Amino acid sequence: DVKVTQSSRYLVKRTGEKVFLECVQDMDHENMFWYRQDPGLGLRLIYFSYDVKMKEKGDIPEGYSVSREKKERFSLILESASTNQTSMYLCASSLGGDSYEQYFGPGTRLTVT
Amino acid sequence: AQRVTQPEKLLSVFKGAPVELKCNYSYSGSPELFWYVQYSRQRLQLLLRHISRESIKGFTADLNKGETSFHLKKPFAQEEDSAMYYCALSGTDSGNTPLVFGKGTRLSVIA
Repeated sequence: DVKVTQSSRYLVKRTGEKVFLECVQDMDHENMFWYRQDPGLGLRLIYFSYDVKMKEKGDIPEGYSVSREKKERFSLILESASTNQTSMYLCASSLGGDSYEQYFGPGTRLTVT
Repeated sequence: AQRVTQPEKLLSVFKGAPVELKCNYSYSGSPELFWYVQYSRQRLQLLLRHISRESIKGFTADLNKGETSFHLKKPFAQEEDSAMYYCALSGTDSGNTPLVFGKGTRLSVIA
């Protein structure tokens, strides 16, 4: 089974702090994704990566950056956390090529106070 | 542009009643469509995809290209079907691009 893990299940940070969310997958998937999930808004794509050191902006990249130094790890960085970034963050991975299915991590619920 | 529309935010049905979760998509090419489900306190997981033509947990979905729809159906709802359901679209020829998700429908099955 594909395993996608996220470093924290719950996180509470203060406004202005730099926040790191880590995601690791163990199935040698090419593609990795970061979404935020908000009630009524569904899943919104923040960034994705289709290769090591490659990244692409999604629909809502403002206020976020990402890093992919190793194939299995994809980090989401909030440079200066704000209260409107309080949300559930979901990481996903997919094999790539002809395989479109995405596998999701358990999510990190981030609260910025 | 690729778009997925789920018109209902919340759908409540009685146990044993039929269920239909609506999904419409916008894409000019040949799409691949998915239904994902998220049960309470669990991760988002694939329920079914149109190309496999499987029935998972009694759910089926048929791709209707004429109506650009991919509605999820189950003849008899069960309480354990209560969850958040997302329809998703892959509209390119490459698996290296993200799925486009709808905003989701919360299904509540009432005993």
